[in-house]
Amino acid sequence: GENVEQHPSTLSVQEGDSAVIKCTYSDSASNYFPWYKQELGKRPQLIIDIRSNVGEKKDQRIAVTLNKTAKHFSLHITETQPEDSAVYFCAASNKAKGDTGRRALTFGSGTRLQVQP
Amino acid sequence: NAGVMQNPRHLVRRRGQEARLRCSPMKGHSHVYWYRQLPEEGLKFMVYLQKENIIDESGMPKERFSAEFPKEGPSILRIQQVVRGDSAAYFCASSLMGGTQGTIYEQYFGPGTRLTVT
Repeated sequence: GENVEQHPSTLSVQEGDSAVIKCTYSDSASNYFPWYKQELGKRPQLIIDIRSNVGEKKDQRIAVTLNKTAKHFSLHITETQPEDSAVYFCAASNKAKGDTGRRALTFGSGTRLQVQP
Repeated sequence: NAGVMQNPRHLVRRRGQEARLRCSPMKGHSHVYWYRQLPEEGLKFMVYLQKENIIDESGMPKERFSAEFPKEGPSILRIQQVVRGDSAAYFCASSLMGGTQGTIYEQYFGPGTRLTVT
């Protein structure tokens, strides 16, 4: 099955700096890579995703890059703000058994981001 | 609010009791996924269902755990004879039905049920 590794486990930055979180995956068939933000005691929220037919995607201060050859993808947050503080999870799709087009996700272990004011 | 709904939000059970967790998907979604999150850990896939059908239960323990998604009503995750190790947050997510081969649909999460076994 798929295995997703995420680094670092904790990351502390000063407000206004950039933050980068990296993930690697094992299954070359995976082709969908979402990122979720989870604040303490709350639900994971989808913040950005990338599909394997593109190498980079940007949404305001958030960008994600994908290197299929190396099987790794990264989240970049620029001009960080205190409200960016949360746990961030990367994930990769698995092909659901017996079906196509709908997939379960394998998650990384999470990165706790702290943005110091 | 047409988001994914879960109830109860908090559930306390004594060892040996049964826990029933409910999930109503977003409007228009008919695919539900259950994930478990232990404290300070990531989310682990348990089971994936569509209406009246289990698609993939490879992440679910073989004993004591079961899931269903009936034609009418919410999806239910049932844990029989709970043990302390079952204490965790259980999240469900939903995605759109249908699609051609290779189509990918985003998963949106509910607020979770925090199960505490005493």
